[in-house]
Amino acid sequence: KQEVTQIPAALSVPEGENLVLNCSFTDSAIYNLQWFRQDPGKGLTSLLLIQSSQREQTSGRLNASLDKSSGRSTLYIAASQPGDSATYLCAVTPLDTGNQFYFGTGTSLTVIP
Amino acid sequence: SQTIHQWPATLVQPVGSPLSLECTVEGTSNPNLYWYRQAAGRGLQLLFYSVGIGQISSEVPQNLSASRPQDRQFILSSKKLLLSDSGFYLCAWGHPGRNYGYTFGSGTRLTVV
Repeated sequence: KQEVTQIPAALSVPEGENLVLNCSFTDSAIYNLQWFRQDPGKGLTSLLLIQSSQREQTSGRLNASLDKSSGRSTLYIAASQPGDSATYLCAVTPLDTGNQFYFGTGTSLTVIP
Repeated sequence: SQTIHQWPATLVQPVGSPLSLECTVEGTSNPNLYWYRQAAGRGLQLLFYSVGIGQISSEVPQNLSASRPQDRQFILSSKKLLLSDSGFYLCAWGHPGRNYGYTFGSGTRLTVV
């Protein structure tokens, strides 16, 4: 079964700093990887979707990379803002069980004004 | 465009009472549908998923059940709620094999008292 890990579990940075969130998965046979954001008490908002054939995706200040062979993805946030404070989750869809997707444990980010 | 609706947003129910949470998707056909639960301070737990009308896969044995009476409707039910059923319930949809990723509803906060 695919296992997805996110490090660190929590991160606190001053406003304006660039930061990197990490996501590791045990089985490289994936269809895609998706990054989500969850604000307290809210649902999940999709940030970026990377197909297995892609190396990275960008949206505004966010850049997600995928190294499928090493089982890693990173989410880079440039010039962090207090509004970026949230929990960030990655999820992978395995090739062999494409009807399910597996979530990481999440990184709780706090951007200090 | 595709949208997902989930209701109610919050619910307070006594122990032993029944439960019915509803999720509907618009703007797509034959989606995969998912029910997740998130306990306080914990990660996302997949409860049920469905690949078609009347087709339900259960991931966790418990006193909850799911049904899919229509293509874009997914219902989570219980005959008798337990205190341990409290949590944040999220519905999601996706199309495995396509480049959409997964989309989540806004969630239902259930408190069993």
